[in-house]
Amino acid sequence: GAVVSQHPSRVICKSGTSVKIECRSLDFQATTMFWYRQFPKQSLMLMATSNEGSKATYEQGVEKDKFLINHASLTLSTLTVTSAHPEDSSFYICSVTGTSGGDTQYFGPGTRLTVL
Amino acid sequence: KQEVTQIPAALSVPEGENLVLNCSFTDSAIYNLQWFRQDPGKGLTSLLLIQSSQREQTSGRLNASLDKSSGRSTLYIAASQPGDSATYLCAVRPGSNYKLTFGKGTLLTVNP
Repeated sequence: GAVVSQHPSRVICKSGTSVKIECRSLDFQATTMFWYRQFPKQSLMLMATSNEGSKATYEQGVEKDKFLINHASLTLSTLTVTSAHPEDSSFYICSVTGTSGGDTQYFGPGTRLTVL
Repeated sequence: KQEVTQIPAALSVPEGENLVLNCSFTDSAIYNLQWFRQDPGKGLTSLLLIQSSQREQTSGRLNASLDKSSGRSTLYIAASQPGDSATYLCAVRPGSNYKLTFGKGTLLTVNP
């Protein structure tokens, strides 16, 4: 399967700052990337879907101006949390899928964001 | 709106036991169902994927079944080991798009 990395794995920031999280598909052409958020003891909730070279599609209730997603290439997508607040503290996970991956989504290891 | 429920929320068993994890979904019009494993603070590892036309899939000690009409799937783990301790998530894909709806997971602890 595809190898997906995320950077950073953990980040702590002050309230009001912006944080960028990278998701890289190391050996797989990811035509579609997904960003999920997971609160403690909760399910993964899809935030947005991005196709390479296109604007992301956000799920209902997710602010597109707060969670900026860029999918500029087949191997890289970034999620920027702008003006982060403590309620944005969560575990953010990306996943990728592509034309050669069949129906499987491959997940990254996640990024733990803590906003003080 | 699709809802996915996993029962039990937590399960603790002694090593060597066979066990069953349950997943139910409200809308039977699914494309496929996938079982994942998540270790604490980590991402997801895909275990088994069952297409809507299939009844079961097997990988090693794992067997997943799917009864689409009743909205149920089970993950059977044979001869459990302490290394199987993790949270197990099931997710359904509704159709041609790739969106997945996840359950909250079952936290499995296998005691040596």
